[in-house]
Amino acid sequence: EAGVTQFPSHSVIEKGQTVTLRCDPISGHDNLYWYRRVMGKEIKFLLHFVKESKQDESGMPNNRFLAERTGGTYSTLKVQPAELEDSGVYFCASSQDDYGWGGYTFGSGTRLTVV
Amino acid sequence: DAKTTQPPSMDCAEGRAANLPCNHSTISGNEYVYWYRQIHSQGPQYIIHGLKNNETNEMASLIITEDRKSSTLILPHATLRDTAVYYCIDWRRNQGGKLIFGQGTELSVKP
Repeated sequence: EAGVTQFPSHSVIEKGQTVTLRCDPISGHDNLYWYRRVMGKEIKFLLHFVKESKQDESGMPNNRFLAERTGGTYSTLKVQPAELEDSGVYFCASSQDDYGWGGYTFGSGTRLTVV
Repeated sequence: DAKTTQPPSMDCAEGRAANLPCNHSTISGNEYVYWYRQIHSQGPQYIIHGLKNNETNEMASLIITEDRKSSTLILPHATLRDTAVYYCIDWRRNQGGKLIFGQGTELSVKP
């Protein structure tokens, strides 16, 4: 089966611009997660979708970040306007089982650089 | 915040067993121990998990102490491709699926 796909793999934007990251989960996986690692820090949870509904968005850093999952398939994470501290690697993960399984499949991530 | 403690780094000779310890002294009865690893430039990869019994799969073995306060991930025959950061995570079934990553252990497998 195809894995979790993220694109772009790299993005370099200027401060103040908008960037949209996309994640295609494994087909049939209702659960979709976003995580990120900023420079020198641990990987941190951002939010969790179950199908098209946001189940937990407690990790979203501020209102410059907007995540959507229309139709319960792929998800986008928009950063608008981007700030320097948003630089890092953004990971997406998916799983089929709702809460009963912690072994998620992660994508390779999008490396975002804000200059 | 991560509730597990791991050594920051370890070395292992290629072909030998790599034993990665993890302290989770505050783990509660319904929390599982999950292990992930992150190879450079890739996303985290699930390895194995357990509750209180030892577990083995094609990638590794997991030994959990009887009091569940610590565990050891064993890679029986480490290869250069096992060089990665290994994360021990305590995970609660009803906490919404959130993984809380700590600093992990950077394992270097050397020829």
